[in-house]
Amino acid sequence: AQKVTQAQTEISVVEKEDVTLDCVYETRDTTYYLFWYKQPPSGELVFLIRRNSFDEQNEISGRYSWNFQKSTSSFNFTITASQVVDSAVYFCALSGFTGGGNKLTFGTGTQLKVEL
Amino acid sequence: ETGVTQTPRHLVMGMTNKKSLKCEQHLGHNAMYWYKQSAKKPLELMFVYSLEERVENNSVPSRFSPECPNSSHLFLHLHTLQPEDSALYLCASSQDLTGHGSGNTIYFGEGSWLTVV
Repeated sequence: AQKVTQAQTEISVVEKEDVTLDCVYETRDTTYYLFWYKQPPSGELVFLIRRNSFDEQNEISGRYSWNFQKSTSSFNFTITASQVVDSAVYFCALSGFTGGGNKLTFGTGTQLKVEL
Repeated sequence: ETGVTQTPRHLVMGMTNKKSLKCEQHLGHNAMYWYKQSAKKPLELMFVYSLEERVENNSVPSRFSPECPNSSHLFLHLHTLQPEDSALYLCASSQDLTGHGSGNTIYFGEGSWLTVV
């Protein structure tokens, strides 16, 4: 069975602080994809990144960076110099091929609050 | 501007009402999904459609009835719901179900907030 764990329920930081959101996953698939989505209060899930299981290279996109460690089954997300607009719920998700198809297993999300 | 649009954004309905949620995707995708998001719970996959055929129904009660008339539109018909069905219902789409690379990415709409009274 697939499982995604986001142990941090809520994180509060002051603007300009760096913050890391943790994600640990479980899967028996050898080929799988990992995702991060952002959900602002409006409700829409905004796609941030997709990473396949064969690509462990870390990625940076502006203030966002992702650290994929296959050895520890983790796919952590860091926001550098956080801003108030980063306040949202962030979901980590996993898509494997066990059971067939393109189905996402989501974590329970981390609520990030960035204050002035 | 999102490639997946959902209407209505907010819906309040009584337990004896019949209503429908609508989803339209402008991305040329072949697969569409309904997810349910309740407070304090992970997102739950409800239905999956590929090329207008339902390929998955995750033990969803029959009071939820999906319809996919074409690859761009997906409906969720609601009938005699319960208060515990109050949630955010998210529609999503992807290029296909099993594609590799970018086709594997699922894009979501803004959701329909449903309150059952």
